[in-house]
Amino acid sequence: DGGITQSPKYLFRKEGQNVTLSCEQNLNHDAMYWYRQDPGQGLRLIYYSQIVNDFQKGDIAEGYSVSREKKESFPLTVTSAQKNPTAFYLCASSVVSSTDTQYFGPGTRLTVL
Amino acid sequence: AQTVTQSQPEMSVQEAETVTLSCTYDTSESDYYLFWYKQPPSRQMILVIRQEAYKQQNATENRFSVNFQKAAKSFSLKISDSQLGDAAMYFCAYRSAAVASGTYKYIFGTGTRLKVLA
Repeated sequence: DGGITQSPKYLFRKEGQNVTLSCEQNLNHDAMYWYRQDPGQGLRLIYYSQIVNDFQKGDIAEGYSVSREKKESFPLTVTSAQKNPTAFYLCASSVVSSTDTQYFGPGTRLTVL
Repeated sequence: AQTVTQSQPEMSVQEAETVTLSCTYDTSESDYYLFWYKQPPSRQMILVIRQEAYKQQNATENRFSVNFQKAAKSFSLKISDSQLGDAAMYFCAYRSAAVASGTYKYIFGTGTRLKVLA
């Protein structure tokens, strides 16, 4: 089955720790995205990548980092610099074209203890 | 900058009835795409329907249809014969058709929670 997987589903972090959220896709999509979702707000873009070894900051990149070493994988690290990291994180992917549609993974719920 | 507004935080509909969710957007562009995504309790975002701005015909997908009013910058979603499984958060999203910074950014509204009453 083609799709996007995210792991873990739930993640707990102590203050001051870095954590990494996994996102993998087997859709052969070039573009991948990370969004943050908070209650009462829409999805906000953290980082995106259109090609391996290249990525750009989204609207709320501070306190986050990413890498894109493989086309299939786009892990997100939530660093200790992120002041309010408790949120739901969604990964998405798409082809790169004017007609693309983004498809989403199941998400990771991060809670800071 | 483009914005997307969903003014109904919550809506309710009786099972088998019809409900319309509202979405307005602001843009100076002429070519763009609009989407409705559904987020059920599992929280996975699922594409419901997509509309190309250059098409006058409203998109339909089974029980889901849109009313796209380009001049009014309105993009409402109509769900006919509502089912219990339709209960979810619904997000409206905008994407430019023009390349900006090398990719196509999506802008999401804040969502409408739909409750379906048995």
